[in-house]
Amino acid sequence: DGGITQSPKYLFRKEGQNVTLSCEQNLNHDAMYWYRQDPGQGLRLIYYSQIVNDFQKGDIAEGYSVSREKKESFPLTVTSAQKNPTAFYLCATKSQPRRNEKLFFGSGTQLSVL
Amino acid sequence: AQKITQTQPGMFVQEKEAVTLDCTYDTSDQSYGLFWYKQPSSGEMIFLIYQGSYDEQNATEGRYSLNFQKARKSANLVISASQLGDSAMYFCAMREGSGSNTGKLIFGQGTTLQVKP
Repeated sequence: DGGITQSPKYLFRKEGQNVTLSCEQNLNHDAMYWYRQDPGQGLRLIYYSQIVNDFQKGDIAEGYSVSREKKESFPLTVTSAQKNPTAFYLCATKSQPRRNEKLFFGSGTQLSVL
Repeated sequence: AQKITQTQPGMFVQEKEAVTLDCTYDTSDQSYGLFWYKQPSSGEMIFLIYQGSYDEQNATEGRYSLNFQKARKSANLVISASQLGDSAMYFCAMREGSGSNTGKLIFGQGTTLQVKP
């Protein structure tokens, strides 16, 4: 099946721990995005990547890091510097960044703090 | 700066009736695109409909239509013949301005729709 796979669906973080959220796509899309969603709120952009080996900070990048070593993969690490990490995280892709077309979304990862 | 505003935090509609979800936007661009997504309780974001700023007709996709009023900068979503499965959160979004090449979407705060049987 073509699509975007996010794993795990649920993740728990202990204080001081780094955790990594996985996002894999087989749509052959160039651009990938990480959004954060807090309860009852809209989506805010954390990081995005338009091409392999390149990524840019979004609106709320502090306490997060990413890598884009392969076109298919865009993992997000929530570091211990992120003091309020509890949220729903959504990965999205787009065939080309500049085109005025929709984003495709994964099914999300719910991160909670123990 | 671009902004999307959804002023209805929550809405109720009776099954089989139509409902309108409001969305206003702010942009200085002449060319832009507006999107609506549905987010059920499971969390995934489902694309519903798209309207381009130069499209002469309002977009329609099955039971979804977009009431696009360019001069008023509004792009309201109309759902006809509501079904219980329409209960979800709905987001209006706009692509970041033409001066940017990020391709990101800017989202409103969302409207929670509950369909009553």
